[in-house]
Amino acid sequence: SQTIHQWPATLVQPVGSPLSLECTVEGTSNPNLYWYRQAAGRGLQLLFYSVGIGQISSEVPQNLSASRPQDRQFILSSKKLLLSDSGFYLCAWTGLAPSTGELFFGEGSRLTVL
Amino acid sequence: KQEVTQIPAALSVPEGENLVLNCSFTDSAIYNLQWFRQDPGKGLTSLLLIQSSQREQTSGRLNASLDKSSGRSTLYIAASQPGDSATYLCAVGKIKAAGNKLTFGGGTRVLVKP
Repeated sequence: SQTIHQWPATLVQPVGSPLSLECTVEGTSNPNLYWYRQAAGRGLQLLFYSVGIGQISSEVPQNLSASRPQDRQFILSSKKLLLSDSGFYLCAWTGLAPSTGELFFGEGSRLTVL
Repeated sequence: KQEVTQIPAALSVPEGENLVLNCSFTDSAIYNLQWFRQDPGKGLTSLLLIQSSQREQTSGRLNASLDKSSGRSTLYIAASQPGDSATYLCAVGKIKAAGNKLTFGGGTRVLVKP
């Protein structure tokens, strides 16, 4: 089966604290992985994508970074959170048939920065 | 730069009525188009994927059409049910170097009244 896991589901962090969101997938090797953010009143924005271990592409300059330490693990991090980092973070992958380009999303991690 | 627009932003219909959701995009050079459903506080569920060479896709009560030349896609939901209440998002994919990166519309929030 193909599955995608994200955690934590919810977190509340103070401004200036670090962040680590984790995403793991099961079912295939060498998937394309993506981090999107959905902020209140705004659409979904692509933050990072990765086509392999250690290969990260950033779409927008920001206070966040991403890493892919293992084939099926994608991590979103920040050293010091800003209020503007609040939002709903979604991990996505290309599933078992990457040539179709279809993306499948996890359940998301809701971050509130106070 | 690709821009994706969904109109209307919100829609309320009585149960049993057919739903018509519109999506328009500015750049016709797309790889595919994907329709998603999002329930409050949840991740995205993929409904239909239309490749750029296809004109439509069907799954149960759902039918999506694609007209690349006019930059439009329409999602039809037949005989709506209260369980269809959710936000529906369309996303346009474009293969760039590696990875299919989706550009999302703002979504249409649907309420089906019993």
